[in-house]
Amino acid sequence: DAGVTQSPTHLIKTRGQHVTLRCSPISGHKSVSWYQQVLGQGPQFIFQYYEKEERGRGNFPDRFSARQFPNYSSELNVNALLLGDSALYLCASSLGRTNTEAFFGQGTRLTVV
Amino acid sequence: GQNIDQPTEMTATEGAIVQINCTYQTSGFNGLFWYQQHAGEAPTFLSYNVLDGLEEKGRFSSFLSRSKGYSYLLLKELQMKDSASYLCAVREGTNAGKSTFGDGTTLTVKP
Repeated sequence: DAGVTQSPTHLIKTRGQHVTLRCSPISGHKSVSWYQQVLGQGPQFIFQYYEKEERGRGNFPDRFSARQFPNYSSELNVNALLLGDSALYLCASSLGRTNTEAFFGQGTRLTVV
Repeated sequence: GQNIDQPTEMTATEGAIVQINCTYQTSGFNGLFWYQQHAGEAPTFLSYNVLDGLEEKGRFSSFLSRSKGYSYLLLKELQMKDSASYLCAVREGTNAGKSTFGDGTTLTVKP
């Protein structure tokens, strides 16, 4: 079985641009969460989606948005990129909304120049 | 607010035992996770504690004391491949996908 897959793996963008990151959860998993991990720090929670609805939001500006599709895949969008948005963006999937274990994808390394 | 503290770095010798501590102060508690993260890779699940006590899984064990807001990860018979960052994370509500992470402990295993 495929694990959590994210695309692209690496991305370089210019300040002010927009970016879309994609995540496909493990087959059968209905919950997708997004995290931002800045170098040297732990992951910071951005969003959780379950059954195509937002179920949780972290302390991130409105430039960050996400959505979940009928097949449970998800997109994270970031507008008006800042240098500080450079980070590893991780997607985690779990079977349901309240299951114990979340499985992480390999992440997308975003560099804003 | 939420606060999770771990030592920044630790060094140990191959074959030895190392204990990585984590203390937390969160508005809620619904379980504590330990993840291993090698450089440039995704975190991988190691353990989950929701009740007080020790959970053992092979070379790795995790302990939780909810009254003290304290957990540790114990790694036995250290191997070079155990060199990685170890992340402590607390789930505050019932939302499986939302955890608050510490900044991780970078463990270096030396021969």
